[in-house]
Amino acid sequence: DTAVSQTPKYLVTQMGNDKSIKCEQNLGHDTMYWYKQDSKKFLKIMFSYNNKELIINETVPNRFSPKSPDKAHLNLHINSLELGDSAVYFCASSAWDTTTDTQYFGPGTRLTVL
Amino acid sequence: GIQVEQSPPDLILQEGANSTLRCNFSDSVNNLQWFHQNPWGQLINLFYIPSGTKQNGRLSATTVATERYSLLYISSSQTTDSGVYFCAVNRKTSGSRLTFGEGTQLTVNP
Repeated sequence: DTAVSQTPKYLVTQMGNDKSIKCEQNLGHDTMYWYKQDSKKFLKIMFSYNNKELIINETVPNRFSPKSPDKAHLNLHINSLELGDSAVYFCASSAWDTTTDTQYFGPGTRLTVL
Repeated sequence: GIQVEQSPPDLILQEGANSTLRCNFSDSVNNLQWFHQNPWGQLINLFYIPSGTKQNGRLSATTVATERYSLLYISSSQTTDSGVYFCAVNRKTSGSRLTFGEGTQLTVNP
């Protein structure tokens, strides 16, 4: 059973297009995250949702819009894609306010903008 | 924000060798995790270790929270240990975001 899953695994698209990445977790967690890994492998938080409420919104262009329909799902929609958006996007989840808030990561979505 | 520094940035070993990876962080933390990113890009949890020592097979980790560092030990390395090892930390006041170090690229040669 996959704990945190993402679709698609690979996404190749043209500049200017709009695309979405979906994430689902079956761990019963109430907090979910999006991280971006750039070409130098540096990982950085983008967003975090707790019980469908946005709690972290880093300095990310407003072309990126996360949506959480329920606490098991967190999707990422990107408008007007740019070359610099090419990266690997990881979804993660964790429990909230526990002594062990280990974050579990999905397999990643490699986005390539041409 | 909190700073996380990992060393060394690159490490090349022969199979069977032992190694120690270090993670320094600039402030007190509630969470510290070690991850292995394999050559296929998957991020695998190794340890949740905000303090103390843990062992899992050939891997072990120690965090000295008062001195703001953590060590990851890999013994009898295998080629499958190759990849990037990340340390990531979190403070509850930061809303549970993990701040990652830049990683250590480990290559284990047969």
